[in-house]
Amino acid sequence: SQQGEEDPQALSIQEGENATMNCSYKTSINNLQWYRQNSGRGLVHLILIRSNEREKHSGRLRVTLDTSKKSSSLLITASRAADTASYFCATGSSGGYQKVTFGIGTKLQVIP
Amino acid sequence: GAGVSQSPSNKVTEKGKDVELRCDPISGHTALYWYRQSLGQGLEFLIYFQGNSAPDKSGLPSDRFSAERTGGSVSTLTIQRTQQEDSAVYLCASSLAGTSNEQFFGPGTRLTVL
Repeated sequence: SQQGEEDPQALSIQEGENATMNCSYKTSINNLQWYRQNSGRGLVHLILIRSNEREKHSGRLRVTLDTSKKSSSLLITASRAADTASYFCATGSSGGYQKVTFGIGTKLQVIP
Repeated sequence: GAGVSQSPSNKVTEKGKDVELRCDPISGHTALYWYRQSLGQGLEFLIYFQGNSAPDKSGLPSDRFSAERTGGSVSTLTIQRTQQEDSAVYLCASSLAGTSNEQFFGPGTRLTVL
């Protein structure tokens, strides 16, 4: 079963707009990661946020984590056509073996 | 090598045949993972290796699926008596020790079972 669930499942925006994707999860986590996948092939790691962090930035990416609501959001500012991809959140569970579980992804389309 | 490599990149096989998929992780990465992704779907965890042992193989869908890792490096995922529902992209990833680290993915093997 999937731990993380991304929302929305699909998002279409105009170039230059901001894109926000959300991830909800069920159990306690050690960290949460966001990945991007182009063309159904390998995933690329974007950013990792630990359970004791609330916000993290990397270039045009901003990730927030609310452990009380068991949710995270990924904001891409000033989107570009090249940002078109699927975005996945992955949760690293806390305690013992830290299994990483991926959500089903958000398919983002940025229209030039 | 610079990244995770997988071979073959594409594999077409007939139903009932066995296939072997190979993964070469990044040198020094002790953790290795196999995932399966069906068309338009998320990643389905298959198995996790720490060194040569597999502490979590709970995601293997049936006993037709097996995987091994030798020398703490290369891993092979074997699917016996392939079925059409096995058609998917099989992704391998590696990371430094422990699963809370960034995973580096290979390009995947696209398996098509006719």
